[in-house]
Amino acid sequence: EVQLVESGGGLVQPGRSLRLSCTTSGFTFGDHSMSWFRQAPGQGLEWVGFIRNKGSGGTIEYAASVKGRFTISRDDSKGIAYLQMDSLKTEDTGLYYCTRGFNSPQYWGHGTLVTVSS
Amino acid sequence: EIVLTQSPGTLSLSPGERATLSCRASQSVSGNSLAWYQQKPGQAPRLLIYGASNRAAGIPDRFSGSGSGTDFTLIISGLEPEDFAVYYCQQCGSSPRTFGQGTKVDIK
Repeated sequence: EVQLVESGGGLVQPGRSLRLSCTTSGFTFGDHSMSWFRQAPGQGLEWVGFIRNKGSGGTIEYAASVKGRFTISRDDSKGIAYLQMDSLKTEDTGLYYCTRGFNSPQYWGHGTLVTVSS
Repeated sequence: EIVLTQSPGTLSLSPGERATLSCRASQSVSGNSLAWYQQKPGQAPRLLIYGASNRAAGIPDRFSGSGSGTDFTLIISGLEPEDFAVYYCQQCGSSPRTFGQGTKVDIK
């Protein structure tokens, strides 16, 4: 069974950093690209970025709203995807989801909540 | 950036009725790479349709997607109680991937 579990969320002050993890199981991690999405409280869905698997070039793309502040990486040996979030802003508050794949992902985690507030 | 506009914002229907949801793109979606998701409160989104018209695994056949270019439609042919939720379209044909603002289907 494919499972994705996000962790690392919490309350953080503006300007600080946080690293989210997406721990996976039930599939060959290295064969799949991984994506991050987020959802502000009571709002719609927003794409954050994705990282392709090595076989597809390993390239990374980001939404304009996070480019230069967020970094997506992966550890294929551990089956974990990461979202390093620096220079956090209050508007980064939300539930962060990881998914397997980047085109119409079917598998989503349950999300981890990030709250940026002083 | 492709802007997706969903209509209506809210659809109030009774169980058994047919729901028609629209998603219009500001420019043509490459490869008709348009997906539909269902989201219920406190849950992650659930993929319903990909490639504009292909049902994802395990999705009942009362859900159908159609359209191409800039105009896409999700039809729920007979609403079941579990179908009352928010529905989002997403284009995956170009970066940045973008979502519509959502259509809420609630019980009349």
